[in-house]
Amino acid sequence: GENVEQHPSTLSVQEGDSAVIKCTYSDSASNYFPWYKQELGKRPQLIIDIRSNVGEKKDQRIAVTLNKTAKHFSLHITETQPEDSAVYFCAASNGAGGTSYGKLTFGQGTILTVHP
Amino acid sequence: NAGVTQTPKFQVLKTGQSMTLQCAQDMNHEYMSWYRQDPGMGLRLIHYSVGAGITDQGEVPNGYNVSRSTTEDFPLRLLSAAPSQTSVYFCASSYSTSGSQYEQFFGPGTRLTVL
Repeated sequence: GENVEQHPSTLSVQEGDSAVIKCTYSDSASNYFPWYKQELGKRPQLIIDIRSNVGEKKDQRIAVTLNKTAKHFSLHITETQPEDSAVYFCAASNGAGGTSYGKLTFGQGTILTVHP
Repeated sequence: NAGVTQTPKFQVLKTGQSMTLQCAQDMNHEYMSWYRQDPGMGLRLIHYSVGAGITDQGEVPNGYNVSRSTTEDFPLRLLSAAPSQTSVYFCASSYSTSGSQYEQFFGPGTRLTVL
């Protein structure tokens, strides 16, 4: 089955700095890579996702890059703010839609702390 | 839309007791899943369903049962609770089209403690 490794487990930055979280996956058939943000005591919420036919995707201060050859993908947050402090999870799936359900395999999570 | 709802929010059980965690969604999503979240281990898939009447096992299915009689509801049953099942449980749903998978929407979670 799929295995997703996420690093670092904790990340501390100053407000305004950039933060980078990296994930590697094992299943070359994986084709969908979402990133979730989870604030303390809350549910995970999708912040950005990327599919295997795209190398990079941006949404304001957040970007994700995918290297299929190396089987790794990364989350980049620029101009970090204290409200970015949360746990971030990467995940990978090989779903093709319909009855071909792609099980999401999650990384272990990164605790991001942004200091004012 | 209420989205994905879960009940109860908190539950304390004694070892050996059984209970059902409820999950419902009003987005007409085909896919529904149950995850457990433990410190340092991310979210792990327990069971999932691709539509009414169709369920399958995830990564950690032992000790849990599911059924999906309607599109909206996907209850998770603990057959005989054990302390190792102390965790936070999240239900999630998503839609799909042929060839693609989309965002999973999570419920608010159920915090379960087994004594």
